[in-house]
Amino acid sequence: DGGITQSPKYLFRKEGQNVTLSCEQNLNHDAMYWYRQDPGQGLRLIYYSQIVNDFQKGDIAEGYSVSREKKESFPLTVTSAQKNPTAFYLCASSIVPSGQETQYFGPGTRLLVL
Amino acid sequence: AQSVAQPEDQVNVAEGNPLTVKCTYSVSGNPYLFWYVQYPNRGLQFLLKYITGDNLVKGSYGFEAEFNKSQTSFHLKKPSALVSDSALYFCAVRDRRGSSNTGKLIFGQGTTLQVKP
Repeated sequence: DGGITQSPKYLFRKEGQNVTLSCEQNLNHDAMYWYRQDPGQGLRLIYYSQIVNDFQKGDIAEGYSVSREKKESFPLTVTSAQKNPTAFYLCASSIVPSGQETQYFGPGTRLLVL
Repeated sequence: AQSVAQPEDQVNVAEGNPLTVKCTYSVSGNPYLFWYVQYPNRGLQFLLKYITGDNLVKGSYGFEAEFNKSQTSFHLKKPSALVSDSALYFCAVRDRRGSSNTGKLIFGQGTTLQVKP
């Protein structure tokens, strides 16, 4: 988990509310990723960013938004359009977005719906 | 389409015995393969990866994995299991072609390893 921080550890969302998950890295990595983890389904890619001010949708981007204004930061917003947001959210980064580079993960944020 | 299968939801072994966690993959080209471990309510920790070269890859905490191209497998192994190895293990694949420059990983659904004293 070293080098990548996620906050908060637990987050509660009320219906109709947008919430933002923080991800910061001090590894000087160009590429950053957001994954969603549900029990028994492995990890699914929400959004990824290869460079500052650029990002692309992953496999399950609907109901989510991101920004990449700084190299170190890649916040994820879970919007009210995401109807089933309860999950464990993991942020990751890699030096560059090439095939052989290892992705390193943060400690995760668990999002719960009130 | 790329995919990863971990055929066992759970693997149970006794401490001191060898362990194997199975992984098979499907990609259109040659793969990059990764193993990660996750402890409860924690992020994923990188264990090892296969890029090219020797089919036997050694990683952290005494784990190793063998790349078998003909069987499209990348099974994780350890000669002597510890109780502290009990965790959730994920296999992941990335195709060298096509989406490789996006860094996108495809994960298996995970295998829970339970090591009993």
